[in-house]
Amino acid sequence: EAQVTQNPRYLITVTGKKLTVTCSQNMNHEYMSWYRQDPGLGLRQIYYSMNVEVTDKGDVPEGYKVSRKEKRNFPLILESPSPNQTSLYFCASSLGQPTDTQYFGPGTRLTVL
Amino acid sequence: GEDVEQSLFLSVREGDSSVINCTYTDSSSTYLYWYKQEPGAGLQLLTYIFSNMDMKQDQRLTVLLNKKDKHLSLRIADTQTGDSAIYFCAETRRSSASKIIFGSGTRLSIRP
Repeated sequence: EAQVTQNPRYLITVTGKKLTVTCSQNMNHEYMSWYRQDPGLGLRQIYYSMNVEVTDKGDVPEGYKVSRKEKRNFPLILESPSPNQTSLYFCASSLGQPTDTQYFGPGTRLTVL
Repeated sequence: GEDVEQSLFLSVREGDSSVINCTYTDSSSTYLYWYKQEPGAGLQLLTYIFSNMDMKQDQRLTVLLNKKDKHLSLRIADTQTGDSAIYFCAETRRSSASKIIFGSGTRLSIRP
C-alpha cells in the first residue's frame, strides 16, 4: 500500500531535549516536505527536499533541521525544542514536483512543556 | 497562510450545497488545489484546477476560478455527514515553483 508514515504519532517532551520525528514513504517520490499546522494559520512549510542530499528552507525553518540521506526518509530534527514548537506536524511527498499530488502522513502531535 | 485566505467555519444542512471560498493574492498562481482533512488524519487532495481554467467538475464537486478577482470556490452538492472536515485551499506560483502555499482551512460542519 502506497503510504507516508510518521513516527511517533504523539509526543510530549520538555524544553531543550533533542528529538527526531521520522518520515518515510514507499512510493519512490523525489519531493518531500514538512509542515506544521497551527489553529487559524493553516499549514506552513518548514523544510522541503527535491531529492537526496537536496534540502531547502520553507517559510518557518527556525529551530528545525532535516536531512535526506536516502530517498525514502526525511527526518525532522528539533535540536532544542521550545514550547512555541508545540504543534501538529505533517510530512508529505510527491513524485517530482509539489504540483504533483502530495501524499500526506497521518501527523505527529508534539507538545513541548 | 497570509497570502491565501479562507473563512474559518461553515455550517450547512445535510442535503444542501456547501460553498467554500478562498481568495489569493499572487497573480502568478499556476495551480490551485482543494485538500480535505478529516479528524485525526492528514490531508488528502480532493481536486485541483490549472490557472487557465474557469471551472472543473468532478461528481459532487465543482471548482470555480475567477482569476480577475483572485477567487476560488469549492461547491459540494448534496452535502453528507461524511463531508464534515477541514477544507484547505492551496496554490503554487510561477515565482516559487518548489512550494505549495496553504490557506488556514475552513471547518465544514453538517447539521441534520
